[in-house]
Amino acid sequence: SAVISQKPSRDICQRGTSLTIQCQVDSQVTMMFWYRQQPGQSLTLIATANQGSEATYESGFVIDKFPISRPNLTFSTLTVSNMSPEDSSIYLCSAGGGSTDTQYFGPGTRLTVL
Amino acid sequence: AQTVTQSQPEMSVQEAETVTLSCTYDTSESDYYLFWYKQPPSRQMILVIRQEAYKQQNATENRFSVNFQKAAKSFSLKISDSQLGDAAMYFCAYRSARGSQGNLIFGKGTKLSVKP
Repeated sequence: SAVISQKPSRDICQRGTSLTIQCQVDSQVTMMFWYRQQPGQSLTLIATANQGSEATYESGFVIDKFPISRPNLTFSTLTVSNMSPEDSSIYLCSAGGGSTDTQYFGPGTRLTVL
Repeated sequence: AQTVTQSQPEMSVQEAETVTLSCTYDTSESDYYLFWYKQPPSRQMILVIRQEAYKQQNATENRFSVNFQKAAKSFSLKISDSQLGDAAMYFCAYRSARGSQGNLIFGKGTKLSVKP
């Protein structure tokens, strides 16, 4: 299994600002994913972070709003840009997939936008 | 597109009893994986159990077991000898076996309460 850490664990931000969330995996992984979990809801995939190429975004999510970096096989960042209160959610990083059929999750980042 | 449905928003079980959480899914693929994840109030997503669609034998993991009915597209989770620590949100998830589509598709979740 993979051990995944995320920073920060929580943050309170002002409208219009940006926050970058970091995700670190303890081993090299092919695929990393970013999910959003709005209060009381299930998880929705934002994008797949591909190493060495642009992230692949799901419908309803765009690069300008959620830029993603994947500089190597153990690290990724998600930026939430120009935040509004509607962006208040838990953001979760996960890793796995490809030849590994199981995804493991980081502890999540709880974001509150005022 | 694949979908996952959990029809029980909330369930309750007495400590030491057995409870079954339901999950159905829709897919046109023949090869895929199914998972149950647990999310306690700490919000950490914890893998409970997984099932490969090509395996007929139901997966088991200590007190947790599944009833996988491929033709019916059903994947229920049975928790035996329920413990207070089992109280959490439980999410059923689907993943295609195609390497380019490694993301999980989640159901809406079932909130499980365990009564002492």
